[in-house]
Amino acid sequence: EVQLAESGGGLVQPGGSLRLSCAASGFTFSSYNMNWVRQAPGMGLEWISYISNDRTTTSYADSVKGRFTISRDNAKNSLYLQVSSLRDEDTAVYYCARGFFLLGVFDYWGQGTLVTVSS
Amino acid sequence: DIQMTQSPSSLSASVGDRVTITCRASQGISSYLAWYQQKPGKIPKLLIYAASTLQSGVPSRFSGSGSGTDFTLTISSLQPEDVATYYCQKYNSAPWTFGQGTKVEIK
Repeated sequence: EVQLAESGGGLVQPGGSLRLSCAASGFTFSSYNMNWVRQAPGMGLEWISYISNDRTTTSYADSVKGRFTISRDNAKNSLYLQVSSLRDEDTAVYYCARGFFLLGVFDYWGQGTLVTVSS
Repeated sequence: DIQMTQSPSSLSASVGDRVTITCRASQGISSYLAWYQQKPGKIPKLLIYAASTLQSGVPSRFSGSGSGTDFTLTISSLQPEDVATYYCQKYNSAPWTFGQGTKVEIK
């Protein structure tokens, strides 16, 4: 069974940083592209970052470019998101999502980790 | 960037009703469109990709159609378990943008 488990969220002050993690199991992690998608409280979904299975390609939404960094460790079946220079509008549940065979489609999602940016 | 606009934002229908949700792209995206369902308090679930292909395990009462700029998600006979917010998403190129969502409730 495919499982994705995020961790690392919490309360952080504006301008602060966090490292989000996603532990994957139940599939060959190194064969799949991975993504981060976030959802602000009561709001819709926003794709924010992508990394290819072999780490050679990354992509970011304009809203986080230059502040967030995606990475992965295929030996540890883990996906990461370093979030920095946080703003109030970054408050959201952050989901890791497995890439489908079609680039940009997400077939499995984790339960999410909440990041709250507040002073 | 291409914008995705869904209508209506919310709807209320009776069990057994046929429900249609529309998604419009600000530019043509061929058939690079997916639909997701998010039940209250739950994580999103992939329903349809390539505008009309049902993901494995999704009930056949769900269907999708369209290409270019105009797309629809149809629930042929609404069931209580279909109460959810539905999102369209374009994936022809990054950024992979979602629509704002359509909340479906039972009347």
